[in-house]
Amino acid sequence: EVQLVQSGAEVKKPGESLKISCKGLGFTSTAYWIGWVRQMPGQGLEWMGIISLRDSDTRYSPTFQGQVTISVDKSINTAYLQWNGLKASDTAIYYCARTGRFVTTFDYWGQGTLVTVSS
Amino acid sequence: EIVLTQSPDFQSVTPKERVSITCRASQSIGSSLHWYQQKPGQPPKLIMKSASQSISGVPSRFSGSGSGTDFTLTINGLEAEDAVVYFCHQSSRLPHSFGQGTKLEIK
Repeated sequence: EVQLVQSGAEVKKPGESLKISCKGLGFTSTAYWIGWVRQMPGQGLEWMGIISLRDSDTRYSPTFQGQVTISVDKSINTAYLQWNGLKASDTAIYYCARTGRFVTTFDYWGQGTLVTVSS
Repeated sequence: EIVLTQSPDFQSVTPKERVSITCRASQSIGSSLHWYQQKPGQPPKLIMKSASQSISGVPSRFSGSGSGTDFTLTINGLEAEDAVVYFCHQSSRLPHSFGQGTKLEIK
C-alpha cells in the first residue's frame, strides 16, 4: 500500500529554522517525484515545488524560490522541506504528494504537517 | 505562470442535484487539468485526471469535461458527503498551479 508519512506538527518562533519530512512507503523511488503544497489557514492550495526521487532534480514555484529548500534522501525514500528564518506568514499546513514520471497528477498525499510560527 | 480561476467560489446545494464547477485557465493547457476533493481535516484526494479520465474508486456520479482553457467537473446526483471543497490543478507548465477552490454546502 502506498503511503506518504509526514513528520509531526511544529511550533516555532520567527527567525528559527525548520526541516519537515515526508517518507514514502510502498513504492520505490526510481520513477516518482514528490511535491510540496501549502495550505494557509482556511485558504486554498499553493504549489510550492517538486523534487525527483531518482536524481534530485528540483523545480520551484517563483513564489517559493529562495524562501524554502526542497531536498531528498533517496536511500530512505524521504523528501524534505526546509526553512532558514521562519516568518509568521509561514504558518500553514504543508502537504507532500507523489507524482509520476511525467509529473502530472498528485495521486497520493501525506497527512499534512501543521507549522505554526508565533512569537 | 498559469492562473486557474474556478467558479463559483461557493454554492449552496441540495441532495440529488446536478452540480457543475468550472475551471478556466489563463492560457491553453490541453487536457492537463485535474480535480481534487478535500474534506475537512483531510488532505486533498484526486477524483478526476486529464480533464475527463475517471479515477478508480471514485463514484461514477463524478465526471469531467473540457480542453484548452475551459473545464467542468460535474456531480450527477449530489450526495450529502459531496458537499465539501473542490480544487482544479494544471500540470501543463511549470510551475503547476491550483484553482482557488469551490466550496459546496448543503442548503
